[in-house]
Amino acid sequence: GAVVSQHPSWVICKSGTSVKIECRSLDFQATTMFWYRQFPKQSLMLMATSNEGSKATYEQGVEKDKFLINHASLTLSTLTVTSAHPEDSSFYICSAPGRVSGDTQYFGPGTRLTVL
Amino acid sequence: GNSVTQMEGPVTLSEEAFLTINCTYTATGYPSLFWYVQYPGEGLQLLLKATKADDKGSNKGFEATYRKETTSFHLEKGSVQVSDSAVYFCALSDGSYDKVIFGPGTSLSVIP
Repeated sequence: GAVVSQHPSWVICKSGTSVKIECRSLDFQATTMFWYRQFPKQSLMLMATSNEGSKATYEQGVEKDKFLINHASLTLSTLTVTSAHPEDSSFYICSAPGRVSGDTQYFGPGTRLTVL
Repeated sequence: GNSVTQMEGPVTLSEEAFLTINCTYTATGYPSLFWYVQYPGEGLQLLLKATKADDKGSNKGFEATYRKETTSFHLEKGSVQVSDSAVYFCALSDGSYDKVIFGPGTSLSVIP
């Protein structure tokens, strides 16, 4: 089946630094990818839709200058958390849709970000 | 907008008990419905899905039926095992955009 990978799986950084998280579709192309964040013991909240070749679409309340998304190719999307602060600490998960509209999403394993 | 509501738990059951986790949704059009499972320390996995009304999704003894008239997609299993302990998320997908909207999740603990 389709596989989505994320790198790194976890990262610890100091407040004020920027962190880049990569999401790759390993055996299929994805013109669209999605970024979610999950707080402990809570559900996944959609942050933005990453579109290959165009700007990302952000959900209401998500700061686009804070969470920079770049869909560099048909197999890679990156999320950069700029000037990270402790409140940005969370579990970030990406996904890519299956080939058929309405099909399942394939989720990456997630990246645990801890900002000190 | 689209949304998903599910019983939040936590739910604690004895092994071999019957499980029901209720899920209802609000959506325009005809979404696809999913149940995802997240085992401790692991990523999300698709458990089952249904893409149209009256479809029944099933996997690993779990099943759920897409009920358009009640806008529900309740998850059931006849006999749970300790290994079923996890968080279960009901979700829907708007086919025109493919993004997935998740419910709040239900934590299930099965005790021997």
